[in-house]
Amino acid sequence: AQSVTQPDIHITVSEGASLELRCNYSYGATPYLFWYVQSPGQGLQLLLKYFSGDTLVQGIKGFEAEFKRSQSSFNLRKPSVHWSDAAEYFCAVGAMNTGFQKLVFGTGTRLLVSP
Amino acid sequence: EAQVTQNPRYLITVTGKKLTVTCSQNMNHEYMSWYRQDPGLGLRQIYYSMNVEVTDKGDVPEGYKVSRKEKRNFPLILESPSPNQTSLYFCASSRTGNEKLFFGSGTQLSVL
Repeated sequence: AQSVTQPDIHITVSEGASLELRCNYSYGATPYLFWYVQSPGQGLQLLLKYFSGDTLVQGIKGFEAEFKRSQSSFNLRKPSVHWSDAAEYFCAVGAMNTGFQKLVFGTGTRLLVSP
Repeated sequence: EAQVTQNPRYLITVTGKKLTVTCSQNMNHEYMSWYRQDPGLGLRQIYYSMNVEVTDKGDVPEGYKVSRKEKRNFPLILESPSPNQTSLYFCASSRTGNEKLFFGSGTQLSVL
C-alpha cells in the first residue's frame, strides 16, 4: 500500500520569499502524485499532478513540483510567495493500478506568510 | 457552475441519533468518495464509489454507511454516531478514478 509523509507541520515564509514544501512517498511502482491546497473554511483544490513524463510539473497559482524517483520525493515550490498563499497544503499519492480509488493524503503543511 | 454540494455545513448531534450528510455533484462524474479530516491526521478515505450501485470501503469505514442509487448523489449515513466521529467531512468526485478530484466545502460534525 502507498503512503505519504509531509515532515513539516507548519512553515512560515516572508512575503516575496521562495517556498519549498516537502513530500515523501512510499510506493513500489510509479505513483500518481498530487498537491492540493485548502484555504480556511474551503474544500481542497488541485494545484498540480504528476502521472508520467516530464518530472517538473507546473501548476496553478505559480506553483511547480519536481518528481525525484531516487529520493521518493515530490516537493512543491514557488519562487515568490504572496500573502494569499497562506493555507494548508496536502500531498497525495495514488497507485497506478487503483488510481483515485485508494488515494492517500499526507497530514498537511500549514503555510503562514509574514509581511 | 460545476460543483460538489454537501449539506449541511455544520451539524451538532447527540450520540446514537442517526444522521445523513448529503453530497451531490452536477458534473456527471462516475467516481465519488468521502473523506474525514482530523488535526494531525490529514484526510482519510471512508468510502468510495466507482459508479451507481458500486461502493467499496476506504481506510476508515467503521461506523459509516453509504449508498449510490443515482449517479449524482452519494450520501454518508451514520446509523449511531459516537463522539469519535466528530470531524470535518468532505465529499469529492471525479470523472473517472484517475482524474482531478473536485471537493465539496465540507461538513463540520460534532457528536456530543
